[in-house]
Amino acid sequence: DAMVIQNPRYQVTQFGKPVTLSCSQTLNHNVMYWYQQKSSQAPKLLFHYYDKDFNNEADTPDNFQSRRPNTSFCFLDIRSPGLGDAAMYLCATSKGRANSPLHFGNGTRLTVT
Amino acid sequence: AQTVTQSQPEMSVQEAETVTLSCTYDTSENNYYLFWYKQPPSRQMILVIRQEAYKQQNATENRFSVNFQKAAKSFSLKISDSQLGDTAMYFCAFGSNSGGSNYKLTFGKGTLLTVNP
Repeated sequence: DAMVIQNPRYQVTQFGKPVTLSCSQTLNHNVMYWYQQKSSQAPKLLFHYYDKDFNNEADTPDNFQSRRPNTSFCFLDIRSPGLGDAAMYLCATSKGRANSPLHFGNGTRLTVT
Repeated sequence: AQTVTQSQPEMSVQEAETVTLSCTYDTSENNYYLFWYKQPPSRQMILVIRQEAYKQQNATENRFSVNFQKAAKSFSLKISDSQLGDTAMYFCAFGSNSGGSNYKLTFGKGTLLTVNP
């Protein structure tokens, strides 16, 4: 089945130690998104790629970076994680039209110690 | 900018009963899309139902239906014959059909629905 896969499911990192989360898709969708979701809150969009074009949200901290080496893969890099970055990180894809639903991965739960 | 408001942080319903989750939104646009997503505990978020603003007919998907009131900017979700598997966080989302980033969604804060046996 076509899907969005996130690895790892759980990630523990130390304060200040860089960490990378990965996402892959078999849907061949144009757009890949990274959302941060803290407990009982709405997903917050960090950035997205439309094909190779990177689009950063205005309030996304510089500590968060992303790479999309090809259509299928997208990475979220947190350069110096702080305690406040502990959250669920959701990857999603879409065809890139307003009526296109988002397809989400299972998420990566990040813990910062 | 669009805003999406879900005024019910938590709700509960007895199995087999009907429950309605509320959502209101604010926009100056005339052509847009509305979505309800479901996020079960520790599981991925999935689309429940979608409504195009230009359609007057309310969308339905099996036990799920919406009450779309465009003038009132209201988009509620009705779940009939609630099942234990419906226990989840439900998010209302707005998708614009204009502008340079018409493929980004604005999410509400969510409603945690618990279905009790």
